[in-house]
Amino acid sequence: NAGVTQTPKFRVLKTGQSMTLLCAQDMNHEYMYWYRQDPGMGLRLIHYSVGEGTTAKGEVPDGYNVSRLKKQNFLLGLESAAPSQTSVYFCASSYKGEDTQYFGPGTRLTVL
Amino acid sequence: GNSVTQMEGPVTLSEEAFLTINCTYTATGYPSLFWYVQYPGEGLQLLLKATKADDKGSNKGFEATYRKETTSFHLEKGSVQVSDSAVYFCALLTGDKLIFGTGTRLQVFP
Repeated sequence: NAGVTQTPKFRVLKTGQSMTLLCAQDMNHEYMYWYRQDPGMGLRLIHYSVGEGTTAKGEVPDGYNVSRLKKQNFLLGLESAAPSQTSVYFCASSYKGEDTQYFGPGTRLTVL
Repeated sequence: GNSVTQMEGPVTLSEEAFLTINCTYTATGYPSLFWYVQYPGEGLQLLLKATKADDKGSNKGFEATYRKETTSFHLEKGSVQVSDSAVYFCALLTGDKLIFGTGTRLQVFP
């Protein structure tokens, strides 16, 4: 039982490049979330999903897209990376919306 | 709107000292409250939680009591260890969204 895993762990991009971050969970959770963590700002919700095939916007969705084609996976895409997207990205999952969220180890992304 | 306010860090303590990290919240309704801990280079781990007023969450020697009258959920530990050095996040769950405080870094020295 691996819990929540994220790939890659680190990535450096040039401005304008695209990439996809993958989150996988093996706990059969319905809800999945993407957050970004920036110094002095805590974690902010980017997008989330309440079940397979669904997505919804969080607090800071601009510049990101997501997909939930399979229940266990939640993908975060950056179509045209900007330096303002330099951050640490965390994925989380929960069985239901009101349940405890479990976090992955994070992806550190730098955009030059 | 809903929000969480934590004391700014870093909090620097000697081993075996008493720890308090303050957390207050603003929310409509009756949110669940959480403390998460982030060790260096790792993701967030749930430390403890409380789901209703006067509940006390506890884990690994840490405690926090859900105080509705003061809208607070302060984290306490009677005797900290070097291994407790980490960033601590207070959070509230309203509806299906977690709202985090900005985090408080704890540094414990031998």
